Amino acid sequence: AQSVSQHNHHVILSEAASLELGCNYSYGGTVNLFWYVQYPGQHLQLLLKYFSGDPLVKGIKGFEAEFIKSKFSFNLRKPSVQWSDTAEYFCAVNRAGGGNKLTFGTGTQLKVEL
Amino acid sequence: EAGVVQSPRYKIIEKKQPVAFWCNPISGHNTLYWYRQNLGQGPELLIRYENEEAVDDSQLPKDRFSAERLKGVDSTLKIQPAELGDSAVYLCASSLAGTTAYEQYFGPGTRLTVT
Repeated sequence: AQSVSQHNHHVILSEAASLELGCNYSYGGTVNLFWYVQYPGQHLQLLLKYFSGDPLVKGIKGFEAEFIKSKFSFNLRKPSVQWSDTAEYFCAVNRAGGGNKLTFGTGTQLKVEL
Repeated sequence: EAGVVQSPRYKIIEKKQPVAFWCNPISGHNTLYWYRQNLGQGPELLIRYENEEAVDDSQLPKDRFSAERLKGVDSTLKIQPAELGDSAVYLCASSLAGTTAYEQYFGPGTRLTVT
C-alpha cells in the first residue's frame, strides 16, 4: 500500500523566513501529488497539485512545490512566510487510475511568529 | 457557490450509543467521500460513492459503520455502537467525478467524542 511521510510535525518560523516542508511517498508508479492546507477553524483547502508536466508547481498565496521523481518527493516551499500562513499542511497522493483515493501524510503544523 | 455542508459540527456521546453524520456535497458533484481523521494524523478514506454506488468501501469497518447515499446527493454515515476509539473528526468531501483529475472539496467535518 502506498504511504506518505511528512518529516516535520511542528515548525515554528518568524515572519519573512523561508519555508520548506518535506513530503515523501512510497508508491513506485504514476502518481498525482497534492498539498492541502487547513487554517485554524477552517476546512481543508487545496494549495497546489501536480499531475504531469513541469515538476515545479506554483499554487496559491506564493507557495510552490517541486516533484522530484527520483527521490519520491514533493516538498512545499515559500520564500517568505507571513503570520497568516499559520496552519496545518498536508501532503497527499493518489495513484493514476486508482479511483481518486487520496492518501494523506500526518500533517505539519506551521506556526509563524511576528 | 456553497461548499460541502456537514452536520452536526460537534457530537459527544457515550460508548455503545449510535451516532449519525450527514453530508450535503457541492451541487453537481457525483462523487462523495467520507474520511476519518484521528488526532495528529491525516485523513483516511472510509468510503467513496459514485452517485448512489459505493465503489470503494474497503476501509470501512463494516461491523459497526454503515453509510448510504440513497438519491446520489446527500449521504449519511452511521456508527452503531460507538467505541472510545471512534473519537475523531469525520470529513466529507465531494468531486465532480471519481477520476484522479478532479479536485476533492472538503467540508468542515464533524468532531466526534466518545466518552
